[in-house]
Amino acid sequence: DTGVSQDPRHKITKRGQNVTFRCDPISEHNRLYWYRQTLGQGPEFLTYFQNEAQLEKSRLLSDRFSAERPKGSFSTLEIQRTEQGDSAMYLCASSLGTVGEAFFGQGTRLTVV
Amino acid sequence: GDSVTQMEGPVTLSEEAFLTINCTYTATGYPSLFWYVQYPGEGLQLLLKATKADDKGSNKGFEATYRKETTSFHLEKGSVQVSDSAVYFCARTTDSWGKLQFGAGTQVVVTP
Repeated sequence: DTGVSQDPRHKITKRGQNVTFRCDPISEHNRLYWYRQTLGQGPEFLTYFQNEAQLEKSRLLSDRFSAERPKGSFSTLEIQRTEQGDSAMYLCASSLGTVGEAFFGQGTRLTVV
Repeated sequence: GDSVTQMEGPVTLSEEAFLTINCTYTATGYPSLFWYVQYPGEGLQLLLKATKADDKGSNKGFEATYRKETTSFHLEKGSVQVSDSAVYFCARTTDSWGKLQFGAGTQVVVTP
């Protein structure tokens, strides 16, 4: 399977714990995006990378959130001190630079209890 | 601020019926426009796109035309199948790096 893969698919955590998600983009794709989707809503942009450079962070991304893309390959999204409001589907997408033609992973569903 | 608005669902149709999902946007400039589809249990997939005014995107029997004058990008299919049951998202670019702004999604249910 050469699509975008995300791990884990599901994560249940207690409030206050830290969690980390991983995204493996399509191998030749230089752009990588993170989005968050809550029930009944469309995905909302969180951050994106051009190779290893993080180009923009949404205001949705509080100081508790951090994302990395070492060496321009896989990416991680870490949430520290999770809150119930962080419960959502976290989506990763990658593209080769053709604007908007992003390929999405199946997402990581986070539940904070 | 700029936005993407699409009709609320669920939209329930019988097989072979005509489907329209309305999408309008507000934006400065001329964004590229997209329809993404999410089938049950799967990730978002690009369905079709249009990059400039009057462009028509098409795929799998679906079509949408970029209408600058009405700032719309309505999705249509002439004869739906049960396999078209999914959630459809309208989206626009917000910059030259491919960042997308999505509508809330419209669930389509096609019954035999």
